[in-house]
Amino acid sequence: GAVVSQHPSRVICKSGTSVKIECRSLDFQATTMFWYRQFPKQSLMLMATSNEGSKATYEQGVEKDKFLINHASLTLSTLTVTSAHPEDSSFYICSVLAGASSYEQYFGPGTRLTVT
Amino acid sequence: AQSVTQLDSHVSVSEGTPVLLRCNYSSSYSPSLFWYVQHPNKGLQLLLKYTSAATLVKGINGFEAEFKKSETSFHLTKPSAHMSDAAEYFCVVSGTGGFKTIFGAGTRLFVKA
Repeated sequence: GAVVSQHPSRVICKSGTSVKIECRSLDFQATTMFWYRQFPKQSLMLMATSNEGSKATYEQGVEKDKFLINHASLTLSTLTVTSAHPEDSSFYICSVLAGASSYEQYFGPGTRLTVT
Repeated sequence: AQSVTQLDSHVSVSEGTPVLLRCNYSSSYSPSLFWYVQHPNKGLQLLLKYTSAATLVKGINGFEAEFKKSETSFHLTKPSAHMSDAAEYFCVVSGTGGFKTIFGAGTRLFVKA
C-alpha cells in the first residue's frame, strides 16, 4: 500500500495561534485525501474530504473557516487549524484513497495537537 | 444510509486463546468492509478487507473475518491471541456517498499473560 506521512507528529501551540499539519503521499498520487480527528479513547470522525485542485468538502458541524484544507498537489494536503483553542486539542489523522474504484484508505501516523 | 456497530467496547482474552471482535453493519448497498488496528498514539493499519469477493477474508497476523449478509455481520477472529495483539480495533464500512467512510466506535483488546 501507499506510504503516508504526516508532519509534525506532535505540536504544542498557544491558544489563538494557528498551526499547519502536512499530509504527504510518498509513493502514490492521491487525488482524494481525508482528514479525521480522534479524541482520546474515541473513534475517528471524518472532518473533510480533500480533492486535488478543488475545494474540500466538510462534514456537518466542521467549521471550514477554522479548519483550512489545501490540496494543491497529488502528494500533499495540508490542514491548518486557525485561532486554535484548547478544545481543538486532538489527534489528527489523514488518509489517502487507494484508487478511483477502491474504498480502501492508507492512513498517516497522525499528529497530536495540544493547545495550551 | 450506512452505519456500523461494534458490539463490545472492550474484550479481554488470555494469551493463546481465541479472539472474537464483533461488528454489525447497516448499508443500503453492497458495502466494502474493513478492519483496522491502531496501537497507542499510532496511525491505523489495515488488517483485512471485504469487497464482494470471497466471504471469508484472511488478513495479516493471523486475523480473519467472515462476511455474513443474512446477519449483517463482519466479525473479526484470530485462533490464538498474542500479547502484541493488544490494541484498538475498528470496523469500517464504506461504499456509497462519495467514498465516505464510517468508523465503528472501536473495541479495545486486552491480552493477559
